[in-house]
Amino acid sequence: EAGVAQSPRYKIIEKRQSVAFWCNPISGHATLYWYQQILGQGPKLLIQFQNNGVVDDSQLPKDRFSAERLKGVDSTLKIQPAKLEDSAVYLCASTRDRAHGYTFGSGTRLTVV
Amino acid sequence: AQTVTQSQPEMSVQEAETVTLSCTYDTSENNYYLFWYKQPPSRQMILVIRQEAYKQQNATENRFSVNFQKAAKSFSLKISDSQLGDTAMYFCAFMKQWVQGAQKLVFGQGTRLTINP
Repeated sequence: EAGVAQSPRYKIIEKRQSVAFWCNPISGHATLYWYQQILGQGPKLLIQFQNNGVVDDSQLPKDRFSAERLKGVDSTLKIQPAKLEDSAVYLCASTRDRAHGYTFGSGTRLTVV
Repeated sequence: AQTVTQSQPEMSVQEAETVTLSCTYDTSENNYYLFWYKQPPSRQMILVIRQEAYKQQNATENRFSVNFQKAAKSFSLKISDSQLGDTAMYFCAFMKQWVQGAQKLVFGQGTRLTINP
């Protein structure tokens, strides 16, 4: 099966600019996740979708971050305006069920200067 | 809140040696899943092995095996006959049941493993 697709691979922006990341999960995976991984740390969950509904966004900085999942398939994560501390790798993952764990994309490395 | 702790920030061994990575976790749940993920420089998280908490038998996948001690809340990964391609960050992860029947994966801080030729 095809993997989780993410784009872009890299992005460099200035602080206060906006940026968007795209994710296409594995076909048939109802649950989609966005994780933030700061250098040297483990990934931290930002938001979780079940089909096109938000299940958990308790760790999402809602004053600057937003996410949507169109028709329960693709998802977009946006940051506006970006801060220096948003520099990180943003990982998208999808899963069929808890027994199988997640399948991750290759992530987007964001650098805010 | 559930937490996952990896106490070894870095480890280094010679090729063909055996290495064990440690992980402890904290939870009040009885049913859950534990995972080890590998993250090479390509950044993609790759599932190495998983363990169901209700199973007493330790999971094994080729050169990778775990030592799951449920009472001690310990979940270590053993890599036998280590290879250069095993060089990567390794993350221990815990999956619990969250609200509305949804899964939530919680990661440790990671262990950077280097296999030397």
